[in-house]
Amino acid sequence: DAKTTQPPSMDCAEGRAANLPCNHSTISGNEYVYWYRQIHSQGPQYIIHGLKNNETNEMASLIITEDRKSSTLILPHATLRDTAVYYCIVRAPSQGGSEKLVFGKGTKLTVNP
Amino acid sequence: DTAVSQTPKYLVTQMGNDKSIKCEQNLGHDTMYWYKQDSKKFLKIMFSYNNKELIINETVPNRFSPKSPDKAHLNLHINSLELGDSAVYFCATHAGSPLHFGNGTRLTVT
Repeated sequence: DAKTTQPPSMDCAEGRAANLPCNHSTISGNEYVYWYRQIHSQGPQYIIHGLKNNETNEMASLIITEDRKSSTLILPHATLRDTAVYYCIVRAPSQGGSEKLVFGKGTKLTVNP
Repeated sequence: DTAVSQTPKYLVTQMGNDKSIKCEQNLGHDTMYWYKQDSKKFLKIMFSYNNKELIINETVPNRFSPKSPDKAHLNLHINSLELGDSAVYFCATHAGSPLHFGNGTRLTVT
């Protein structure tokens, strides 16, 4: 799986948009970009994923650059409960029924009141 | 209902003991995993099972033995526990994407 680079930490004011960047310059054509987050003392939680097009769901938006070498996760109105470590992962579609997600260090997002 | 549940949530034990961690999922997924998160917070895959068959084994010491009695359960048995086994162990499942994780078992070996 391709490697990703994320800033180790970011701060955001409550109610403002949080924009979390991720570089994945060696991504392959069939690899998806996934975002998970881990709130303290909990298991990782899936947020969103995409291949080429921008994606939006009830939790966040994912903006992928045209060359696919980087992406940005956007939490439109961050709340204190969004304080967590956010992981950006790239992976090819699973084969043989198993996923092998490779987690990096992620970005520790702190939402301040 | 919790989709992926692990027991116990906390486990403190002494070196050399044998212990088991249990995982149960009610999502009907075919594939289950064990991940380990060490003190540096790196989350690494250990094993995956698909329909009760071992698919991935990431060079984990053979003191660790996963067992899947049925599709809804994947247990992790650890023999001769060592200090370095202290970590948080996460169970996960999926059918397609994405992965669904449990809330972890914090194992402390003293």
